[in-house]
Amino acid sequence: QKEVEQNSGPLSVPEGAIASLNCTYSDRVSQSFFWYRQYSGKSPELIMSIYSNGDKEDGRFTAQLNKASQYVSLLIRDSQPSDSATYLCAVERNFGNEKLTFGTGTRLTIIP
Amino acid sequence: SAVISQKPSRDICQRGTSLTIQCQVDSQVTMMFWYRQQPGQSLTLIATANQGSEATYESGFVIDKFPISRPNLTFSTLTVSNMSPEDSSIYLCSVGGHRGTDTQYFGPGTRLTVL
Repeated sequence: QKEVEQNSGPLSVPEGAIASLNCTYSDRVSQSFFWYRQYSGKSPELIMSIYSNGDKEDGRFTAQLNKASQYVSLLIRDSQPSDSATYLCAVERNFGNEKLTFGTGTRLTIIP
Repeated sequence: SAVISQKPSRDICQRGTSLTIQCQVDSQVTMMFWYRQQPGQSLTLIATANQGSEATYESGFVIDKFPISRPNLTFSTLTVSNMSPEDSSIYLCSVGGHRGTDTQYFGPGTRLTVL
């Protein structure tokens, strides 16, 4: 079992709809969770971090964490064509350890 | 967030040669990391660059192939030694511990092609 798993996609979502990206992780003691967005040919940029169970909202983005189910998700509301990118889920075992394990990424396409 | 630069941004190299990639941050950071991203793949951690001590390498990566320096809290280098076409990849540095956070920020990357 991979340490961090994501559906590779591609995931196609109509413009204006909600895009839902999912990630599961195997290390039960993981403390910190991150979502990065990577445009083709560019380096990853941080979108959200989440540390506690529940939802965390930032603009059109909502991260959801369920440690009991070892599941983290990212919702993108009112999807825009500029949201088309690969989204990487990353997990940190210990806060401050800062060694991240990345999933394989989900390629998202927003259809105008 | 931290401002990170990498040099070179891209290079084409011959088999058997070595390339040193530089990573510069605009402020002092505790942690610096080097990743590889092969075409169509996710990021794989090569090593953690520790200031004042030897780098810590992940399984499958060795110091002879990927020597790393970290002379101070704002700079690090990664050398890809004795290159083969399989080393063609994007190499990314990242920094953590910026202003007390555990968030990792990435440099723009170095696209390496080995012929």
